[in-house]
Amino acid sequence: DQQVKQNSPSLSVQEGRISILNCDYTNSMFDYFLWYKKYPAEGPTFLISISSIKDKNEDGRFTVFLNKSAKHLSLHIVPSQPGDSAVYFCAASEDATDSWGKLQFGAGTQVVVTP
Amino acid sequence: DVKVTQSSRYLVKRTGEKVFLECVQDMDHENMFWYRQDPGLGLRLIYFSYDVKMKEKGDIPEGYSVSREKKERFSLILESASTNQTSMYLCASSLLSGGVSTDTQYFGPGTRLTVL
Repeated sequence: DQQVKQNSPSLSVQEGRISILNCDYTNSMFDYFLWYKKYPAEGPTFLISISSIKDKNEDGRFTVFLNKSAKHLSLHIVPSQPGDSAVYFCAASEDATDSWGKLQFGAGTQVVVTP
Repeated sequence: DVKVTQSSRYLVKRTGEKVFLECVQDMDHENMFWYRQDPGLGLRLIYFSYDVKMKEKGDIPEGYSVSREKKERFSLILESASTNQTSMYLCASSLLSGGVSTDTQYFGPGTRLTVL
């Protein structure tokens, strides 16, 4: 059973507008959350992360929001650019000594930014 | 920059063949991981290793084994390939800092394996 869920398999947005990607999780032990971006024929690359002690983290055009009570996080991309067209994966990890930094990934959301 | 390389970008094998997928990282990372990526399922962890000769099962280890004889190299082995192992295979590594694993993983480009 997937512990990290991205319920929107795809998202289409106009260039210059905001992209909002959503992610829900079920494991209350998760304490660190990451977003990865993946282009076709390439491996995922780290985009932005957030610790459970925060509710917002911003890096340039990318902002991640965390709502722990709702077990929900979102990634905002403002403004969206054609180069943002990619698959975005949400991932989470537990704060446990034997977790070894293992990540649980969502199914991904394909973002298409149109001119 | 962290570099994770995988031995092949594309591989075609026949059912029953033994398949080796190799991964090498150049940043002296302690932790290494093997995932497979399938549409609608995201990335699923097959095996991981936190030290040389150490290995742990991930969420879907059945049909796979791994080998880590050197710190920089982590191999995934399909003992007898089957068609349901057709997938994109991704290797990743991460740092162990002060005895604590960091969460950011660095990925290789992937190997697209087709089993006929």
